[in-house]
Amino acid sequence: GENVEQHPSTLSVQEGDSAVIKCTYSDSASNYFPWYKQELGKGPQLIIDIRSNVGEKKDQRIAVTLNKTAKHFSLHITETQPEDSAVYFCAASIDNDMRFGAGTRLTVKP
Amino acid sequence: GAGVSQSPSNKVTEKGKDVELRCDPISGHTALYWYRQSLGQGLEFLIYFQGNSAPDKSGLPSDRFSAERTGGSVSTLTIQRTQQEDSAVYLCASSLVDQHGEQFFGPGTRLTVL
Repeated sequence: GENVEQHPSTLSVQEGDSAVIKCTYSDSASNYFPWYKQELGKGPQLIIDIRSNVGEKKDQRIAVTLNKTAKHFSLHITETQPEDSAVYFCAASIDNDMRFGAGTRLTVKP
Repeated sequence: GAGVSQSPSNKVTEKGKDVELRCDPISGHTALYWYRQSLGQGLEFLIYFQGNSAPDKSGLPSDRFSAERTGGSVSTLTIQRTQQEDSAVYLCASSLVDQHGEQFFGPGTRLTVL
């Protein structure tokens, strides 16, 4: 089955700096790659996603890149703000079979 | 509209007792998932229901865990003879099968086994 690796497990940045989280996946048939943000005491919420036929997608301060050949994808957050502090999960999906990375705890220091 | 709801939000039980956790998916969502999230850990897949197909139970950690989905809507995750290592947050998510696979998560049930 699919195996998703996520790095780093923790990330601390200064407010205004950029943050990058990287994930790799094992199954080349995966075709959907969402990123979820989980705040304390809440369920994960989708923040951005990308399909396998696209190499990059951007939404305001958040962008995701996908390299299908290398089977890795990354989340980029620019101009980080304290409210970006949360746990971020990547996932890879074949149809509706989705597997998650272990998560990255992002701390943005004011 | 209403999102995914889960009940109870918190459950404290004694070791050896059985527990039932409930998930109400978004109306019309035919796919439903259960995950377990241990403290500070990632999302561990448990089980997946899709329409009337046989569920994918490949993530269930032991035969003490089982889940049902009645009428294609509400789902119940049952843990029998609970152990302390079962303590975790149990998350439910639902999605539209024919869409891009986006999963909508509930707030979770925090289970504590004493």
